[in-house]
Amino acid sequence: LAKTTQPISMDSYEGQEVNITCSHNNIATNDYITWYQQFPSQGPRFIIQGYKTKVTNEVASLFIPADRKSSTLSLPRVSLSDTAVYYCLVGRPYSGAGSYQLTFGKGTKLSVIP
Amino acid sequence: DAEITQSPRHKITETGRQVTLACHQTWNHNNMFWYRQDLGHGLRLIHYSYGVQDTNKGEVSDGYSVSRSNTEDLPLTLESAASSQTSVYFCASSSGATDTQYFGPGTRLTVL
Repeated sequence: LAKTTQPISMDSYEGQEVNITCSHNNIATNDYITWYQQFPSQGPRFIIQGYKTKVTNEVASLFIPADRKSSTLSLPRVSLSDTAVYYCLVGRPYSGAGSYQLTFGKGTKLSVIP
Repeated sequence: DAEITQSPRHKITETGRQVTLACHQTWNHNNMFWYRQDLGHGLRLIHYSYGVQDTNKGEVSDGYSVSRSNTEDLPLTLESAASSQTSVYFCASSSGATDTQYFGPGTRLTVL
């Protein structure tokens, strides 16, 4: 299982761009990188997933360097409603019976300040 | 719209009692998961299933069991509830193609 390391917490002012970096030095060839967001008293919610280079959707961008040993979740112009815990997961898509490959760590608690 | 639901949303029980938490999804997903979340621990996987009649242990499976008799449901049973099992429990499902998981609203369980 690829282990991930991300900051425990981050603070940001409203309107700023926030970048959360996740380290995953032992990522395997078939592993994808996935980020989830969790608000208090709710289940995690999928944000974005990528394999290499850059992925962008309406919510965030995900930057993955060529060596794939780290990844950066970028949230443009955050608002107070972006205050949440963000989880980085590394693992492979399910391709048959076997041990489960994805693990949630403790995540990064992002606090957006007005 | 497809969804994943959990019941009850809140449960208080006593030590030693058997408790079952329900999880129901209408996504028609093959994969279903149970996690517990405690302060300072993130989410930890309890059990998971890749399809009907398939169940597997996660990292914190002791004291818990699951059964999968159909695609839609994966009930989690605490055989003999302990105070250490006081937690918030989340159920999730995924199709397997990209393994994106969809989570339920959670069940807050208190064992006195």
